[in-house]
Amino acid sequence: GNSVTQMEGPVTLSEEAFLTINCTYTATGYPSLFWYVQYPGEGLQLLLKATKADDKGSNKGFEATYRKETTSFHLEKGSVQVSDSAVYFCALSDRDGNKLVFGAGTILRVKS
Amino acid sequence: GAVVSQHPSWVICKSGTSVKIECRSLDFQATTMFWYRQFPKQSLMLMATSNEGSKATYEQGVEKDKFLINHASLTLSTLTVTSAHPEDSSFYICSALTRETQYFGPGTRLLVL
Repeated sequence: GNSVTQMEGPVTLSEEAFLTINCTYTATGYPSLFWYVQYPGEGLQLLLKATKADDKGSNKGFEATYRKETTSFHLEKGSVQVSDSAVYFCALSDRDGNKLVFGAGTILRVKS
Repeated sequence: GAVVSQHPSWVICKSGTSVKIECRSLDFQATTMFWYRQFPKQSLMLMATSNEGSKATYEQGVEKDKFLINHASLTLSTLTVTSAHPEDSSFYICSALTRETQYFGPGTRLLVL
């Protein structure tokens, strides 16, 4: 079945540091890929998505590129802020958006 | 756009009572909504898929008689936890599907005493 593997956290960075959170997936067919962010005590917010190979999703300074050859969708940001502290979930779904499969989540802590 | 709300945001109830949680898509119509459960410091677990006008589809291991789902309109799905027990205490999150993407509500924290 489909699955998503994320790097374990927590990831602790200083403000303005470079961020990478690794995400790899196993899927049949051509899934859509997502990054969601969850702030403390809240639900999930869609951060970015990509629906086909080589697509780059971007939002709020975050980027991720759909790499079919390495089955990866790593999240990057050039300069993190304290307000980026949250849990980040990588996920995939079928082409219709159904059957969303989540990774375990990665806690990001940014210190000033 | 694509805003989803949940009500209530948190609820405390006594063991044996039933609790209803509402999920609304505020600025779009959603034929399909989903209900998830999240345990502390864990990922989301899909409980069921809610389809407007038809019966919900439950994931393996989820008791359909305990977690009643109704999707009566294109903007509202409800989850009722019947005869709640302390082990049902959790964070329940819904999502609504539009443009091939799921948008999530803010979650409902349930505490059963």
